Amino acid sequence: DTEVTQTPKHLVMGMTNKKSLKCEQHMGHRAMYWYKQKAKKPPELMFVYSYEKLSINESVPSRFSPECPNSSLLNLHLHALQPEDSALYLCASSTGQGVQPQHFGDGTRLSIL
Amino acid sequence: AQSVAQPEDQVNVAEGNPLTVKCTYSVSGNPYLFWYVQYPNRGLQFLLKYITGDNLVKGSYGFEAEFNKSQTSFHLKKPSALVSDSALYFCAVRDNDYKLSFGAGTTVTVRA
Repeated sequence: DTEVTQTPKHLVMGMTNKKSLKCEQHMGHRAMYWYKQKAKKPPELMFVYSYEKLSINESVPSRFSPECPNSSLLNLHLHALQPEDSALYLCASSTGQGVQPQHFGDGTRLSIL
Repeated sequence: AQSVAQPEDQVNVAEGNPLTVKCTYSVSGNPYLFWYVQYPNRGLQFLLKYITGDNLVKGSYGFEAEFNKSQTSFHLKKPSALVSDSALYFCAVRDNDYKLSFGAGTTVTVRA
């Protein structure tokens, strides 16, 4: 079992819908991450929160909106997505010290109709 | 910028045979290197890391990796592969406290 929990596991949405992805960790980690992964490709970093503040935004389109309500929770709000946004969205957490590994959830598989 | 390369898209081995997944790195300064594995329909799982010290690093599930500074390599190894080791493997190098640069990935298939 992974220590980072992501819900839902699967999501199908139309291009006009609004939905949210949720991520939760209880390891006391202070850094949390959102990645996008296409099939058979490495994950691409989208956002990083450190101590509940957005510290990195990798030039992600505004139709993706992250939120970190507290140190254990991370959300990704989705609106007006495009078909090319269909992918596996992975959440990860870490202590925030670069020598420590990131711990990944099992992801949300998102399909845009 | 830090980077890693995985020269093989695919590695095929028979069960019981040694498994090697190759990774080379390019960094300025000391490299902090990681291996992750991704099983179908799962997230990435941490296998092992090299920060400093012994060049042979032992990790989860019987995997180990050898750091070679002169060849700028960090190859992942397992003495006797299992069918259950079939997965996608990623090498990664630390860019800063938060960013990892991943290799393109190597698909390992272990046949029974």
